[in-house]
Amino acid sequence: GAGVSQTPSNKVTEKGKYVELRCDPISGHTALYWYRQSLGQGPEFLIYFQGTGAADDSGLPNDRFFAVRPEGSVSTLKIQRTERGDSAVYLCASSFGGRETQYFGPGTRLLVL
Amino acid sequence: AQSVAQPEDQVNVAEGNPLTVKCTYSVSGNPYLFWYVQYPNRGLQFLLKYITGDNLVKGSYGFEAEFNKSQTSFHLKKPSALVSDSALYFCAVRDLSRSSNTGKLIFGQGTTLQVKP
Repeated sequence: GAGVSQTPSNKVTEKGKYVELRCDPISGHTALYWYRQSLGQGPEFLIYFQGTGAADDSGLPNDRFFAVRPEGSVSTLKIQRTERGDSAVYLCASSFGGRETQYFGPGTRLLVL
Repeated sequence: AQSVAQPEDQVNVAEGNPLTVKCTYSVSGNPYLFWYVQYPNRGLQFLLKYITGDNLVKGSYGFEAEFNKSQTSFHLKKPSALVSDSALYFCAVRDLSRSSNTGKLIFGQGTTLQVKP
């Protein structure tokens, strides 16, 4: 079956601009996670959704970052006033529940110039 | 605080030889441990996990991992390496802190495995 998909695969933007990154989880998975992977590092947790609600957003670095999952399926990570330090690969993962194995998408590589 | 350490940035092994990629963890309570592999410009692929039960866990592509509670380790192993195993490997632990009943993963820094023909 289809895995987790993320669009776009690459995004280049200018400092100060707004970006949206999309994640389409595996069908039937109720849990959805966003992680950020900087160069040479392991992924770091950003936010977790169980259904439509953000059950844990403790990993969001500041209030420029926001994510939604309005219908409990597709999620969008939104970054306002992007900074060069936001450049990273943004990974999305989904699972059947909050304690099940997480399956990752291919990621969106964000470059802020 | 929960944490994971991968002490080796890179592991080099000849094709056909056994390989080990090391991982140690620090958690309060029983650990839930995972290994993922990442190929260039790809997302993370799940290899195997330890939740409970046998200390030797078998996973995808012939990989296995040995859970050692006394040494707080969860090393990834394969009896005979392939050139196609060359990739970046991540060990992860599920965050079990009271404030995080979410299953979020805490990852190590990653280890690059290079298998030479």
